[in-house]
Amino acid sequence: DSGVTQTPKHLITATGQRVTLRCSPRSGDLSVYWYQQSLDQGLQFLIQYYNGEERAKGNILERFSAQQFPDLHSELNLSSLELGDSALYFCASSVVSGRLTNTEAFFGQGTRLTVV
Amino acid sequence: AQKITQTQPGMFVQEKEAVTLDCTYDTSDPSYGLFWYKQPSSGEMIFLIYQGSYDQQNATEGRYSLNFQKARKSANLVISASQLGDSAMYFCAMREEVDSSYKLIFGSGTRLLVRP
Repeated sequence: DSGVTQTPKHLITATGQRVTLRCSPRSGDLSVYWYQQSLDQGLQFLIQYYNGEERAKGNILERFSAQQFPDLHSELNLSSLELGDSALYFCASSVVSGRLTNTEAFFGQGTRLTVV
Repeated sequence: AQKITQTQPGMFVQEKEAVTLDCTYDTSDPSYGLFWYKQPSSGEMIFLIYQGSYDQQNATEGRYSLNFQKARKSANLVISASQLGDSAMYFCAMREEVDSSYKLIFGSGTRLLVRP
């Protein structure tokens, strides 16, 4: 158990809908990262938050947004969903700002999103 | 741009034998970190081992060792005494600096199947 909790584990929704994925980082970790794993794109970095503030952006679509709350949990919001958004979405946490060293890159179990 | 290449889409190994999973990388940064992750069929990403670019010795963690050849820009994962539970996808990743923060970029993965 990595200590990173993601909910829900599975989500099935229709095109055009909006969903929210939730991540609780490990206790004491201030940084949260979101990744998307799809069959055609592999594992892609989406966005990072540190202590409530956005720190880095990757290949995140404008239809997607995220935030980190004062209690450090994070939510990834996906709107106007398309079939191609079907993927496994991972959250990872680390203790310091962006520094993914050997002991700090802990991933949650992922949320499998299926858009039908 | 930094890049990670895993050229083996799939590998077989006999139980109790050793197996090497290949990973090559491309970066112009003198300071970087390399990671290996295991993703079983259940989907979670499990951190296995880390190698820093300035580390003098190859990293080892139990049955996992990293064959780091800096001049060749390769960071192969060696799993000794394979077990049935080692059957999974394995991803090589590199730490990349972005916007004064860091993210991980991943290779396309190698699916390992351990035969009894």
